[in-house]
Amino acid sequence: EVLLLDSGGGLVQPGGSLTLSCAASGLTFRSHVMAWMRQAPGRGLEWLSSISESGENTYYADSVKGRFSISRDNSRDTVYLQMNSLSAEDTATYYCTKEVKDTFQVTLGFDPWGQGTPVTVSS
Amino acid sequence: QSALTQPASVSASPGQSITISCTGTSSDVGNYNLVSWYQQHPGKAPKFIIYQGTNRPSGVSDRFSGSTSGNTATLTISGLQAEDEADYYCCSYGGTRHWLFGGGTKVTVL
Repeated sequence: EVLLLDSGGGLVQPGGSLTLSCAASGLTFRSHVMAWMRQAPGRGLEWLSSISESGENTYYADSVKGRFSISRDNSRDTVYLQMNSLSAEDTATYYCTKEVKDTFQVTLGFDPWGQGTPVTVSS
Repeated sequence: QSALTQPASVSASPGQSITISCTGTSSDVGNYNLVSWYQQHPGKAPKFIIYQGTNRPSGVSDRFSGSTSGNTATLTISGLQAEDEADYYCCSYGGTRHWLFGGGTKVTVL
């Protein structure tokens, strides 16, 4: 069974930084594209960032580009999200997830998802 | 890139069928056959239930089905059960390795 364990969330002041971690198990981690999503309280899901299998290629939503940085350590089966210049609008539960691909390497969706780690930006 | 449009809520009695629409544009839903759907119960992580607009991952009930026409994707839940009460989100590839989600639809079983 593939499991993703998100961690690192907490209370941070506006303008501050935080790094989230996601530890994966039950899969050949280095063979999968990983992604971070978030969900603000009472709101919908938002894709934030994806990272290629090797970590060479990264992609970001406009809302976080230049402030957030995704990375991975394939020796530790872990993906990270470094978040800088945080504001109240970044308050959300953050989820790590894995891209599901078909035999032609077309992304079909995201599965599974971590349990989520809450981030609150407040003074 | 804007979020996809879903109705805020849908309700029906047990045993009935419901449909949830997901409207995008010719740059996302209408351009790529890459719409997926997710079910999310309160306080839980989303669950992947439909991919490429019409296909179910292994283990997902066949009461869930999907379709796509033009810029709109639709999720249908047949034989509604109490356990289907949840939020449902559509997601589409938006090009340049970006993904868009709908605002979510709350399904209530009366």
